[in-house]
Amino acid sequence: DTGVSQNPRHKITKRGQNVTFRCDPISEHNRLYWYRQTLGQGPEFLTYFQNEAQLEKSRLLSDRFSAERPKGSFSTLEIQRTEQGDSAMYLCASSSQGDGVPQHFGDGTRLSIL
Amino acid sequence: DAKTTQPNSMESNEEEPVHLPCNHSTISGTDYIHWYRQLPSQGPEYVIHGLTSNVNNRMASLAIAEDRKSSTLILHRATLRDAAVYYCILPRYSGGGADGLTFGKGTHLIIQP
Repeated sequence: DTGVSQNPRHKITKRGQNVTFRCDPISEHNRLYWYRQTLGQGPEFLTYFQNEAQLEKSRLLSDRFSAERPKGSFSTLEIQRTEQGDSAMYLCASSSQGDGVPQHFGDGTRLSIL
Repeated sequence: DAKTTQPNSMESNEEEPVHLPCNHSTISGTDYIHWYRQLPSQGPEYVIHGLTSNVNNRMASLAIAEDRKSSTLILHRATLRDAAVYYCILPRYSGGGADGLTFGKGTHLIIQP
């Protein structure tokens, strides 16, 4: 059973640098979600795609953040000009269509800003 | 997502049943009740979901009150590997699929050996 895969698992970078994370969803899932989780808090929704269309973006997603899912398969999340406050776990999830269907999460990319 | 209320933490002994409560008094007739859990250093893991009837799977059981204003996740025989934060969520669905989930603080389940 191939689950949701995220790369890299850890990223350390200096403030002001750009970073990009990749998410490979479960292959038959057409919905893909990005969340952010800081220490001691539950995950917070950032954005989601249905196939290649980005359907919703949270107010948490500042203009330094951009997400793409060019062919409706894998997705990338880019953060430009990183800030200390961007340090967090970035989680990806995917789901199929239908009422009641659950989301399946990857183990995340942990971003540390020096 | 509709609002849910859970205890901040619960403690149980290994190999005993655990009942994790969740209140969702503003639930609507079409809201599903989902449970996820998150182990340390891992992403959330789907546990179980239901609409009106009680549900069982290999991980847990979900007991839903008749008025649907509360539910209980039941772990029949807790192990140390069940120590995690458990989230009760009522996802919102639109366009044929789930929207982004709203996680609260969840219940931190501690299992004593």
